[in-house]
Amino acid sequence: GAGVSQTPSNKVTEKGKYVELRCDPISGHTALYWYRQSLGQGPEFLIYFQGTGAADDSGLPNDRFFAVRPEGSVSTLKIQRTERGDSAVYLCASSPGGRGETQYFGPGTRLLVL
Amino acid sequence: KNEVEQSPQNLTAQEGEFITINCSYSVGISALHWLQQHPGGGIVSLFMLSSGKKKHGRLIATINIQEKHSSLHITASHPRDSAVYICAVSQGAQKLVFGQGTRLTINP
Repeated sequence: GAGVSQTPSNKVTEKGKYVELRCDPISGHTALYWYRQSLGQGPEFLIYFQGTGAADDSGLPNDRFFAVRPEGSVSTLKIQRTERGDSAVYLCASSPGGRGETQYFGPGTRLLVL
Repeated sequence: KNEVEQSPQNLTAQEGEFITINCSYSVGISALHWLQQHPGGGIVSLFMLSSGKKKHGRLIATINIQEKHSSLHITASHPRDSAVYICAVSQGAQKLVFGQGTRLTINP
């Protein structure tokens, strides 16, 4: 079966632009996570969805970042007024139910803000 | 101080050597995860454990809850084991808190 997919795989944008990053979780997985990984660092948590609702958005760095999951499957991470410091690999993961389970990661979207 | 610390940050060894990567954490956890990340590739979950020891092929993971410490061992290491190994913890909540990773290089 298909794993977690993310599009685009790479995104280059200019400072100040708006970007959307998409995540398709494994079919049937109710939990979906977004993480951000800067070069040479471990991933950092951004937001967690259980179904359609954001159960924990404590990792979003500021109000330029927003994520949705309107139908409880595909999720979109939206970044407004991008800054050079937003450059990173954005990782999505999903798990069947959420609590204390193995998470399955997508390949990531590499975002470069010029 | 990070909640999850790994050592060493970088490790280079010869094919066939026994490898140990360590992880210490400073918070209460519900589970500890070991993950593997190949260059330019995605992250793959290797183990999730909350006590004792787990083994899968040449990989062994152990955890000591009292000491808040876990180790990942690789026996008979091979160049294809070269990757970044990441320790992460979950604290009852669903999100993972990650260590900074250990870059392992196995030379033939």
